[in-house]
Amino acid sequence: DAKTTQPPSMDCAEGRAANLPCNHSTISGNEYVYWYRQIHSQGPQYIIHGLKNNETNEMASLIITEDRKSSTLILPHATLRDTAVYYCIVRVGTSGSRLTFGEGTQLTVNP
Amino acid sequence: DSGVTQTPKHLITATGQRVTLRCSPRSGDLSVYWYQQSLDQGLQFLIQYYNGEERAKGNILERFSAQQFPDLHSELNLSSLELGDSALYFCASSVGDPRDGYTFGSGTRLTVV
Repeated sequence: DAKTTQPPSMDCAEGRAANLPCNHSTISGNEYVYWYRQIHSQGPQYIIHGLKNNETNEMASLIITEDRKSSTLILPHATLRDTAVYYCIVRVGTSGSRLTFGEGTQLTVNP
Repeated sequence: DSGVTQTPKHLITATGQRVTLRCSPRSGDLSVYWYQQSLDQGLQFLIQYYNGEERAKGNILERFSAQQFPDLHSELNLSSLELGDSALYFCASSVGDPRDGYTFGSGTRLTVV
């Protein structure tokens, strides 16, 4: 699976959009981009995933660049409850593949 | 409540002992995954089962074993416990399509003293 690079930490003001970047320059054509988050010691929570098109759900939007070498997770109106470690993961969508978690980005939403 | 149930939530045991962690996946999910999260290492994939069969294996120690039963619940057995095995153990489940995301349980915190 392709390696990802994320900033170790970011801050965001409550009510503003949080834009979390992820670099995956070695991504292959059959690899998906997944985003998860983990609020302190809780189980990781699935947020969104995509292959090459931008995706949006009730939690967030995922913007993938045309060359697929990077992506951005957007939380449109961050709240204090969005403070968590956010993981960007690239994974082949085939049987036997698994989610490999890196260090992630610690997002702190400030009042 | 994610729908993935893990028991017990907390477990304290002595070195050398054996414990069993249990996971009930979401209704309809066929795949179960086990992860270990310790302070000095991030989330580490241990093993995956799909409909009762082992599908993928990660850095799981030989002292650890797992199985998935016909009712799809899974158990992770940890034996000859060492202090370094103290960690959070998470179970996740998915329908089985490898493109799907996983749903994680709330974890079992194991403390070995």
